Amino acid sequence: KAGVTQTPRYLIKTRGQQVTLSCSPISGHRSVSWYQQTPGQGLQFLFEYFSETQRNKGNFPGRFSGRQFSNSRSEMNVSTLELGDSALYLCASSGGTGTGNTIYFGEGSWLTVV
Amino acid sequence: QKEVEQNSGPLSVPEGAIASLNCTYSDRVSQSFFWYRQYSGKSPELIMSIYSNGDKEDGRFTAQLNKASQYVSLLIRDSQPSDSATYLCAVNKIGGTSYGKLTFGQGTILTVHP
Repeated sequence: KAGVTQTPRYLIKTRGQQVTLSCSPISGHRSVSWYQQTPGQGLQFLFEYFSETQRNKGNFPGRFSGRQFSNSRSEMNVSTLELGDSALYLCASSGGTGTGNTIYFGEGSWLTVV
Repeated sequence: QKEVEQNSGPLSVPEGAIASLNCTYSDRVSQSFFWYRQYSGKSPELIMSIYSNGDKEDGRFTAQLNKASQYVSLLIRDSQPSDSATYLCAVNKIGGTSYGKLTFGQGTILTVHP
């Protein structure tokens, strides 16, 4: 059974640019959530999508957005990149309902903003 | 008070010893609890999930949950140098707008020395 796949794995962007990250969840999983990990702030929740609808959102500015497609694949976009957006971006996949709902992470996308 | 707090590290144990990692959470509504292991430069890897009070064992790992005390722990028996990593406690609330949102502790760095 394939795991959570994130692309690209590594990327370097310039301040002011935008970036799009992609995530394919585990087959059959309908929930995809995104996290940002930095040394100073740890792992922080960005947003979660379930059946193409954003179900939950963390405390990040509107420059961070996402969407989910009918096949459950998800993308997140960061516009007008800032140096502080340099981080590991993690996608997590789960069945999406009820207790006993295990959540698995992809390998992450390392974003460096210069 | 932070939503999820882990015992301050770093924690250093000799090979073969028991490593004890602790986590407390503030929201009584929390229903699912996870322990992730993260090696440097890698994404979090799920080790254990626990949903009911009591102990849950998987190989050398035992998770313990006490909802009355809002406390969850992870014991690693016969610790090995390969267990050296950052251990992350994560909590999930089910229902409402909380689906798919994991709240993480700050992590505990474990070092197992030969």
